[in-house]
Amino acid sequence: GQQVQQSPASLVLQEGENAELQCNFSTSLNSMQWFYQRPGGSLVSLFYNPSGTKHSGRLTSTTVIKERRSSLHISSSQTTDSGTYLCALATSGGNYKPTFGKGTSLVVHP
Amino acid sequence: EAAVTQSPRNKVTVTGGNVTLSCRQTNSHNYMYWYRQDTGHGLRLIHYSYGAGNLQIGDVPDGYKATRTTQEDFFLLLELASPSQTSLYFCASSDRQFSNERLFFGHGTKLSVL
Repeated sequence: GQQVQQSPASLVLQEGENAELQCNFSTSLNSMQWFYQRPGGSLVSLFYNPSGTKHSGRLTSTTVIKERRSSLHISSSQTTDSGTYLCALATSGGNYKPTFGKGTSLVVHP
Repeated sequence: EAAVTQSPRNKVTVTGGNVTLSCRQTNSHNYMYWYRQDTGHGLRLIHYSYGAGNLQIGDVPDGYKATRTTQEDFFLLLELASPSQTSLYFCASSDRQFSNERLFFGHGTKLSVL
């Protein structure tokens, strides 16, 4: 089955520092999506990025299929970035069955 | 933006009780999913469906039933709830028809089984 590994498991930053979150997968993918989970639990879709690079404000997502990895870069972190970041992927063919990594817990201190 | 609505937002029941979690999506997506989220495990797929009347088994199906009554509605049933089913439950939908397979999530249901 699909294997999705996120790293690091947790990260502590001072406000203003940058962060690089990784999502590695063991099979070919058909879709890749990054989510931010608020401390209260709700999920916010950040990027749908099955390949290439996408930008949104201070966030950048890069998916390199051949290397079986996707990354989320956060620049100039803010305290409001604190929360959990999750990646989800699904492989091509058959039923669409998205699998999640265990997440990266980010804490940004003022 | 696709809308996925879950109900209830919070539920407390006792061991052995029956619980039904409801999910409705209003964008005619073909796929719908039920996940549970527990500390240390991320989101794990319980059941999913690719259309009304269809049901597929996910990765952690034991103790759960599900039913997709219409294109819009997907229900998760716990017929004899156990404390191990205390969790945060998410419903999601997606549409594979146009090569855009984004997941859209509801706000989640926090279930406590005492």
